[in-house]
Amino acid sequence: DQQVKQNSPSLSVQEGRISILNCDYTNSMFDYFLWYKKYPAEGPTFLISISSIKDKNEDGRFTVFLNKSAKHLSLHIVPSQPGDSAVYFCAARARGNKLVFGAGTILRVKS
Amino acid sequence: DARVTQTPRHKVTEMGQEVTMRCQPILGHNTVFWYRQTMMQGLELLAYFRNRAPLDDSGMPKDRFSAEMPDATLATLKIQPSEPRDSAVYFCASGQTGVGGEKLFFGSGTQLSVL
Repeated sequence: DQQVKQNSPSLSVQEGRISILNCDYTNSMFDYFLWYKKYPAEGPTFLISISSIKDKNEDGRFTVFLNKSAKHLSLHIVPSQPGDSAVYFCAARARGNKLVFGAGTILRVKS
Repeated sequence: DARVTQTPRHKVTEMGQEVTMRCQPILGHNTVFWYRQTMMQGLELLAYFRNRAPLDDSGMPKDRFSAEMPDATLATLKIQPSEPRDSAVYFCASGQTGVGGEKLFFGSGTQLSVL
């Protein structure tokens, strides 16, 4: 039973354009949503988060949007850079502080 | 620069052998998590601790996996006996309850190969 789903296994974007990564969830009790970035042979690193009471959070080139009615969130990267090429995991915080992760989306930014 | 430290980075072993993975959480963090990354499932939660007490290990195969925190600076994940299907990358993460507690900090992982 996957509570957090990332339906796109991969995404390819041209440098300078916008990257949009999507995530859907099923559990309305999640109170925080997060995006993590992962390079090969490294652990995931925190990128940005959003509380369930907000609908947008911005940090530099990264913006996360939350649509609670649709149980959907997205990460926008503008402009995309080659160094953004990585695996992006969507995560949601459940009761007890544990994070439930999606399967990840591989982002390739072409120069 | 505070970080989560995991050892070993790589482990190759034969089926049936015991495997022990170790994790040193960030000093002052009171939650510790073990995750496993597989191609199909992404990051699966295996077990987690708060203030060294196990809170949830429902993600672990109980007959062969065990997780402990002997003290606040060490968490261990053991597999006995190991099987080829256990081959994966195992991550430890730590965090703290309270403000900002939604963020977890991950180690670099242990790449396990069971032949």
